Amino acid sequence: NAGVTQTPKFRILKIGQSMTLQCTQDMNHNYMYWYRQDPGMGLKLIYYSVGAGITDKGEVPNGYNVSRSTTEDFPLRLELAAPSQTSVYFCASSSGQGGTETQYFGPGTRLLVL
Amino acid sequence: GDSVTQMEGPVTLSEEAFLTINCTYTATGYPSLFWYVQYPGEGLQLLLKATKADDKGSNKGFEATYRKETTSFHLEKGSVQVSDSAVYFCALSDPEQRGYQKVTFGIGTKLQVIP
Repeated sequence: NAGVTQTPKFRILKIGQSMTLQCTQDMNHNYMYWYRQDPGMGLKLIYYSVGAGITDKGEVPNGYNVSRSTTEDFPLRLELAAPSQTSVYFCASSSGQGGTETQYFGPGTRLLVL
Repeated sequence: GDSVTQMEGPVTLSEEAFLTINCTYTATGYPSLFWYVQYPGEGLQLLLKATKADDKGSNKGFEATYRKETTSFHLEKGSVQVSDSAVYFCALSDPEQRGYQKVTFGIGTKLQVIP
């Protein structure tokens, strides 16, 4: 199994540009998450989805949008990129919402906004 | 709110040394506790977890015990290898049913093991 895959691995954007970070999982998980990882800050939840067609905001959603048209895919859209969005982005999935669930992470997308 | 505290590091050890990475937490209720590891260039992956007080999680020679009285979940390994060099994240999962799994991560501790 591939697990959770993300593309691209690295991207440089100019201020004001837009892009979509792709995330795909092949484990048939209903729950998917987008996190950003900043130095010294741990991971912060941007958006999550509990199934196809259902998404909701996490802790830091401003400047981002998501969609979930299929169980497998959960793309993250950046509109009007800003330097504050320079970060490493991780997509994750899990089979349930319970407190004991393991989340499975993709390899990450490193984004630099200049 | 929930929080997880761990040192950022880097922690530098010689091969075969004993490892301790401290993790303390604050939470309402009775969270599950996790250690995730991130190897260079990769995403996070579960190392071990414990779901209730006094549980011990273990994997690949690593261990951590859920200590409710001290609100701690320290990671230990008796003899580290160069291949253990990675960033280690302590995390807790809120048990409240809120429609998704709310996980609070620590800042991550970078471990460097030198031959």
